[in-house]
Amino acid sequence: SQQGEEDPQALSIQEGENATMNCSYKTSINNLQWYRQNSGRGLVHLILIRSNEREKHSGRLRVTLDTSKKSSSLLITASRAADTASYFCATPLSNDYKLSFGAGTTVTVRA
Amino acid sequence: DVKVTQSSRYLVKRTGEKVFLECVQDMDHENMFWYRQDPGLGLRLIYFSYDVKMKEKGDIPEGYSVSREKKERFSLILESASTNQTSMYLCASSLYGGSNQPQHFGDGTRLSIL
Repeated sequence: SQQGEEDPQALSIQEGENATMNCSYKTSINNLQWYRQNSGRGLVHLILIRSNEREKHSGRLRVTLDTSKKSSSLLITASRAADTASYFCATPLSNDYKLSFGAGTTVTVRA
Repeated sequence: DVKVTQSSRYLVKRTGEKVFLECVQDMDHENMFWYRQDPGLGLRLIYFSYDVKMKEKGDIPEGYSVSREKKERFSLILESASTNQTSMYLCASSLYGGSNQPQHFGDGTRLSIL
């Protein structure tokens, strides 16, 4: 039962450019998380945004949440080669422990 | 930092074998999860555990079982491995209940069933 869906599926940018990816979800949520996965590794938690927050920053990451449109965006500013990875949004399933992960956006940063 | 360790990075087994995937976390987390990750399908939850000896089915439990005898260890068992269980398996843990907790992942086990 996949709740969130990322868009685009893949993104290729030049080093120094910004990268934006979006996540749309189906049902009301009280928070949304973003994760990064480098090739061949596990997922790493990046940021959590609560439903009463519109925007949150962490270093070069900026996350927005629009609960009326059921969507979130992740912006990576001034991208670096090390940002090459897949990025996933994760949304709660009902009110329990479980998260639903989308299929991810694969970001390639070209030197 | 939380460390989640999966026993093998790569594993090759034969159809019909009983396969054990082990996961250990070092931060006294209550919750542990097993996912499988396939291209284009994202992560799918197989089982999770919210306490020792407690478990709940995820989205795709068929063909799998789990064991959590100690808080730090969560094992995934493929009762009789089949080729459609070839996948990347990811273990994760979170501190306590609630979907607002970050999950901490191991580096995964890439399992091939021949």
